[in-house]
Amino acid sequence: AQSVSQHNHHVILSEAASLELGCNYSYGGTVNLFWYVQYPGQHLQLLLKYFSGDPLVKGIKGFEAEFIKSKFSFNLRKPSVQWSDTAEYFCAVRTWAGSARQLTFGSGTQLTVLP
Amino acid sequence: SQTIHQWPATLVQPVGSPLSLECTVEGTSNPNLYWYRQAAGRGLQLLFYSVGIGQISSEVPQNLSASRPQDRQFILSSKKLLLSDSGFYLCAWSSGGEQFFGPGTRLTVL
Repeated sequence: AQSVSQHNHHVILSEAASLELGCNYSYGGTVNLFWYVQYPGQHLQLLLKYFSGDPLVKGIKGFEAEFIKSKFSFNLRKPSVQWSDTAEYFCAVRTWAGSARQLTFGSGTQLTVLP
Repeated sequence: SQTIHQWPATLVQPVGSPLSLECTVEGTSNPNLYWYRQAAGRGLQLLFYSVGIGQISSEVPQNLSASRPQDRQFILSSKKLLLSDSGFYLCAWSSGGEQFFGPGTRLTVL
């Protein structure tokens, strides 16, 4: 079965610092990749996704992620974080098994940005 | 546009009592529907999913059950709650791409 690892459980940064959150998955076939974000008191919402094509994808609010197939990774990046980026970030992987259920989430990374 | 509703937002129940959490989706037809439990530091655990009315698949053995009586309604239930059922429950829908999540229900079992 596939698994998703987010090695950073809690990241604390100052405003304007650069961000990179790691995401690795274990599955040898075709994957769709997602980053979701959950701001305090808000719904879980999609930040960006990769289905195919350019492995560098850009999402909302200046976030981007790069799919590196050889490393089974989909790290999230932002060159300069803001206090409003404080949230919990989840990486998710969908394996193409034709089933509705094959979306696996990582354990999440709590990002705290200090003003 | 599509919207997803969950209620109640917060629930406190005694051990052994029944449970019914409701999720409804608007603005789409025949969605895939999901119930997740979110625990701190453990991400989202898929509990049930449904690809159509009356079709329920369970991902993990547990004290909970799910039903889909209508196309856009998904219900999470229990006959007798356990302390370990406390948590944050999220409903989601999908039309084959990304999943869209509801606001969640915080369940506390005392």
